[in-house]
Amino acid sequence: DGGITQSPKYLFRKEGQNVTLSCEQNLNHDAMYWYRQDPGQGLRLIYYSQIVNDFQKGDIAEGYSVSREKKESFPLTVTSAQKNPTAFYLCASSIGSGSTYEQYFGPGTRLTVT
Amino acid sequence: GQQVMQIPQYQHVQEGEDFTTYCNSSTTLSNIQWYKQRPGGHPVFLIQLVKSGEVKKQKRLTFQFGEAKKNSSLHITATQTTDVGTYFCAGPYSGTYKYIFGTGTRLKVLA
Repeated sequence: DGGITQSPKYLFRKEGQNVTLSCEQNLNHDAMYWYRQDPGQGLRLIYYSQIVNDFQKGDIAEGYSVSREKKESFPLTVTSAQKNPTAFYLCASSIGSGSTYEQYFGPGTRLTVT
Repeated sequence: GQQVMQIPQYQHVQEGEDFTTYCNSSTTLSNIQWYKQRPGGHPVFLIQLVKSGEVKKQKRLTFQFGEAKKNSSLHITATQTTDVGTYFCAGPYSGTYKYIFGTGTRLKVLA
């Protein structure tokens, strides 16, 4: 089955630790995205990548880092510099070409930092 | 900066009543997308509108893109409990793969 996988579903960390969230897609999509969602709120863009080895900051990139070494993978690292890391993190991908940029979302990772 | 706002933020309806959510952008959009997120789930793509004044229907859902391509609406006729969730609109920043999502409207349907 084609789709996006994120792991783990739930993640708990102590304050001050860096943590990396996994995102893998087998849709052969060029573009990938990371969003953050806080309870009762919308999606805010953290980082996005149009092609391998290239990525751009979104609206709330501070305290986060990403890499795009392979087309199918776009891991997100939440660093200790992120002041409020507890949130629901969603990864998405899109074809990235033509007139349709429908985004396919993974199931998300709920990160709790105490 | 570019903003996309949705109203209302919350809506409670009795099953069988109609529901509408409105999306307003501060800038003209080349297209607009709508997503649905069930409680505890992830957003799922519903539809994309591209043309000025475009209207598309999916069963009980009617989507409309404004003439000026700065606003859009989603109307659900005769809501059902399966319609529960948060509905988001999303529009692209011009010339990029970057989308800005609206604030969302959370719909609760009372049986």
